[in-house]
Amino acid sequence: KQEVTQIPAALSVPEGENLVLNCSFTDSAIYNLQWFRQDPGKGLTSLLLIQSSQREQTSGRLNASLDKSSGRSTLYIAASQPGDSATYLCAVKGWDTGTASKLTFGTGTRLQVTL
Amino acid sequence: KAGVTQTPRYLIKTRGQQVTLSCSPISGHRSVSWYQQTPGQGLQFLFEYFSETQRNKGNFPGRFSGRQFSNSRSEMNVSTLELGDSALYLCASSLGQGAHEQYFGPGTRLTVT
Repeated sequence: KQEVTQIPAALSVPEGENLVLNCSFTDSAIYNLQWFRQDPGKGLTSLLLIQSSQREQTSGRLNASLDKSSGRSTLYIAASQPGDSATYLCAVKGWDTGTASKLTFGTGTRLQVTL
Repeated sequence: KAGVTQTPRYLIKTRGQQVTLSCSPISGHRSVSWYQQTPGQGLQFLFEYFSETQRNKGNFPGRFSGRQFSNSRSEMNVSTLELGDSALYLCASSLGQGAHEQYFGPGTRLTVT
């Protein structure tokens, strides 16, 4: 059974700092890994999708890497801003679900960027 | 292109009642998945529908059911509500074939009293 862990659970950084969020998963047989952000009480916004054959994806100030063999992914946020404050979730889609779209989520990292 | 929409956004029900939540996927998307989010359990997969067929089901009791219509819109139903069913219910849509990106709606906040 796939288990996804995110460390740290919470993080507070001053504006402008670069930061790294970590995600680890127990079963390396995955189709893809997706990073989301969630603002309090809201739905999930997709940030980046990394297919199992890819090593990294970039979007603006965000860069996500994937090391399938070690079961790890990192989300790098450059030059953090107060608007980046949110909970960040990673989710994996495993081979065991075939063509189905089931995602297994981590517990999230709650990020606060202070002025 | 319009995003995933969910109705209603907020709902208050009493124990023992039943509730129906609705999800309209992004145009062209044929897969709709449902998730329950609670502070204690995080995000948990309920079920997924593709082309009106349930393709996958999570570990939830039979009180939780769903369906998908020919236009890909989906509904989920919870019967005999319990206090523990209070949660944010999220639906996600994707193209459905292969490892496609999933897009989430804003969720329905269900409170059971």
